[in-house]
Amino acid sequence: NAGVMQNPRHLVRRRGQEARLRCSPMKGHSHVYWYRQLPEEGLKFMVYLQKENIIDESGMPKERFSAEFPKEGPSILRIQQVVRGDSAAYFCASSPATLVNTEAFFGQGTRLTVV
Amino acid sequence: AQTVTQSQPEMSVQEAETVTLSCTYDTSESDYYLFWYKQPPSRQMILVIRQEAYKQQNATENRFSVNFQKAAKSFSLKISDSQLGDAAMYFCAYRSAVRDMRFGAGTRLTVKP
Repeated sequence: NAGVMQNPRHLVRRRGQEARLRCSPMKGHSHVYWYRQLPEEGLKFMVYLQKENIIDESGMPKERFSAEFPKEGPSILRIQQVVRGDSAAYFCASSPATLVNTEAFFGQGTRLTVV
Repeated sequence: AQTVTQSQPEMSVQEAETVTLSCTYDTSESDYYLFWYKQPPSRQMILVIRQEAYKQQNATENRFSVNFQKAAKSFSLKISDSQLGDAAMYFCAYRSAVRDMRFGAGTRLTVKP
């Protein structure tokens, strides 16, 4: 059972371009969480999704950022018209259910660099 | 809103000694779990230990143990017999039945040989 897979591991974009970050949860997991980590800082919650539903997007900027988790395929975090401040490591985590005792399993992150 | 606070940005410990990392949280919910994650330089998030809020007994995993004080909303991590491989960022996390997982800002642990 492969772990949470994120790709690409590293992504370089010029200002104004779009960044698409992909996350394939662990097999059997229907819940996906996206976090952003700035250098030397902790993980900031962005969005929580279940299959085809956004449960909580309170941590995601209202503009330029969007996320989806379709019925088939990976979860996608999309950042439009990237700016230098979007440079960060973006982590995806998945869990099998909303059971409170289930840990979230993390991918290795995508490091986005905006030049 | 649930918040998690780690008041120690950096900690240092001598190899083989014991160190305690602090974490406090704020919540109005009664059913929740607390976690400590470790993030080594590889950036992989690794679960170290978890604690169920309804259990009074503190969780223990080998050299790692927690001091869970529910009334004080405190959840500290104790690392005994520290090893060089313990050097990492440590994040305290909170999760309730209806919420996602929220993290503290992290504590960078250095282990001196």
